[in-house]
Amino acid sequence: NAGVTQTPKFQVLKTGQSMTLQCAQDMNHEYMSWYRQDPGMGLRLIHYSVGAGITDQGEVPNGYNVSRSTTEDFPLRLLSAAPSQTSVYFCASTPSTPGGITEAFFGQGTRLTVV
Amino acid sequence: SQQGEEDPQALSIQEGENATMNCSYKTSINNLQWYRQNSGRGLVHLILIRSNEREKHSGRLRVTLDTSKKSSSLLITASRAADTASYFCATPIYNQGGKLIFGQGTELSVKP
Repeated sequence: NAGVTQTPKFQVLKTGQSMTLQCAQDMNHEYMSWYRQDPGMGLRLIHYSVGAGITDQGEVPNGYNVSRSTTEDFPLRLLSAAPSQTSVYFCASTPSTPGGITEAFFGQGTRLTVV
Repeated sequence: SQQGEEDPQALSIQEGENATMNCSYKTSINNLQWYRQNSGRGLVHLILIRSNEREKHSGRLRVTLDTSKKSSSLLITASRAADTASYFCATPIYNQGGKLIFGQGTELSVKP
């Protein structure tokens, strides 16, 4: 029972490079989200998805793209990495229930450094 | 902007003492959730309290919710060194599927 799997765990990029952070969940959850965590800032929402083919922006979307072609996968693309994108990135999935939003399940994070 | 504000930002106690963390939020909510994060790891869900509940217990955890004051508290009783972690409150945004707004967190250190 893997839950939410993020790869890679660590990554160093040079300014201007692009890359994709992978996120996969095996719980058949409709909702998936990407957050970044910076010291003293808590978690901030980058993008989220309410189902395959549907995505929307969160609080800090600039410099990131997402797509959701399947229920299981929700990759996050950095188009042209900048030092300001140095952060820890978390992917989460949440089941949709008639009673409203319940708990989110988080991956273990990707620690990204842009030099 | 952050929905939740937490205080204290850091808390250091001895094993066996109780730890209380507070969270305030800005908008109407359906529920409020508390998460724990061990250093360098992902977040783990601890407890959820719905807007029509005032208090909820789970093991050594007690959560209260005051919707009139838009605030919640998390109490950990008889703390252990293993409780050392960061604790976050989070509120889902109504009808925006899975979208959680997090507070900045309280860093708890429990000394043996």
